[in-house]
Amino acid sequence: DAGVTQSPTHLIKTRGQQVTLRCSPKSGHDTVSWYQQALGQGPQFIFQYYEEEERQRGNFPDRFSGHQFPNYSSELNVNALLLGDSALYLCASSFMTGVNTGELFFGEGSRLTVL
Amino acid sequence: AQKVTQAQTEISVVEKEDVTLDCVYETRDTTYYLFWYKQPPSGELVFLIRRNSFDEQNEISGRYSWNFQKSTSSFNFTITASQVVDSAVYFCALSEAVNSGGYQKVTFGTGTKLQVIP
Repeated sequence: DAGVTQSPTHLIKTRGQQVTLRCSPKSGHDTVSWYQQALGQGPQFIFQYYEEEERQRGNFPDRFSGHQFPNYSSELNVNALLLGDSALYLCASSFMTGVNTGELFFGEGSRLTVL
Repeated sequence: AQKVTQAQTEISVVEKEDVTLDCVYETRDTTYYLFWYKQPPSGELVFLIRRNSFDEQNEISGRYSWNFQKSTSSFNFTITASQVVDSAVYFCALSEAVNSGGYQKVTFGTGTKLQVIP
């Protein structure tokens, strides 16, 4: 049973560029959440997708956008990259009922470095 | 606003020692959920336990135990007879009650890095 898979695992971008990160949820899960984890910090909630719609959003600017596809996979897009966007980006999946209790299954993350 | 505080940034113990990781939370909700996650060097967060705000019974799972005290807003995690494989960053997290849309976010603490020395 495949868990949550994310790609790419590592990437380097320069300021002002755009990046797209991808996530495939655990088999049978229908909800995807994205988190940003800066070095030495806890994960910060970016947004959550269910039924191909953004359902809830954390305190992140509009430069952060996302998408969920009919197969439940998801993308996170970040435009106009800043040095401060350097972080580990974690994708978490769950059942909708699982979301109600916050039990999340995480991928290993995509580590983004902005130079 | 929700907040989770893990005051211990790093802890080092010698193998087979017991260790307790502290977690203090703040929330205005009467219904909420508390969690502990483990993050090994690979980066993947691994779910350890979930408690709801109405269940203050302590829980034990093998070498792991959790002490939830609503009166002090604490949810501490103890590892008994620690092992090198326990070395990781441990996060305490808080989830608000389900809103009218059925969705919610999880607020994480800043984590405690545990190093178990052989």
